[in-house]
Amino acid sequence: GDSVTQMEGPVTLSEEAFLTINCTYTATGYPSLFWYVQYPGEGLQLLLKATKADDKGSNKGFEATYRKETTSFHLEKGSVQVSDSAVYFCAPYRSNDYKLSFGAGTTVTVRA
Amino acid sequence: DAGVTQSPTHLIKTRGQQVTLRCSPKSGHDTVSWYQQALGQGPQFIFQYYEEEERQRGNFPDRFSGHQFPNYSSELNVNALLLGDSALYLCASIPLAGEGHEQFFGPGTRLTVL
Repeated sequence: GDSVTQMEGPVTLSEEAFLTINCTYTATGYPSLFWYVQYPGEGLQLLLKATKADDKGSNKGFEATYRKETTSFHLEKGSVQVSDSAVYFCAPYRSNDYKLSFGAGTTVTVRA
Repeated sequence: DAGVTQSPTHLIKTRGQQVTLRCSPKSGHDTVSWYQQALGQGPQFIFQYYEEEERQRGNFPDRFSGHQFPNYSSELNVNALLLGDSALYLCASIPLAGEGHEQFFGPGTRLTVL
């Protein structure tokens, strides 16, 4: 089945620092790719997505590009804020088995 | 427009008991998936319901079962609870035609098994 490898956390940054979280996946075919975010005590929220190779997803200053050749979907943000403190999950989705395959998550803490 | 709702918010049970969790999808969504998120881990897919049938199932034992009603709401049932079933249970709803395959998650039900 599909699997995801995310950069291990926790990651601690200062405000306005650059954030990158690596994500690589193994999957047959070409899945859609998602980044979800989970704020403390809450459920999952979609952060961004890309549905085909070379697509770039973006939202709230975060970006990720679907790299088919390296099977990667790394998440980046140029200047983080304290409010970005959360757990970030990378997840491919294949339409023929209807499920998101989540990575272990990366905990990000941003200090003022 | 209400988002995905789940009930109850928290639940405490003892080993061997049975539990039922409930989910109401977003308006206009006809498909519901259930995920289990153990502490410190990513969510794991349990199963998906579409047209009142289980369409796909993850690697979970038969103690985990579900149901979908004509109004698209869904229940997750777990029998013979084990300590290892303690987790956050997340429901996700998917829109008609599943454009972009985006899944919308509810806030979850925190189950503690003692």
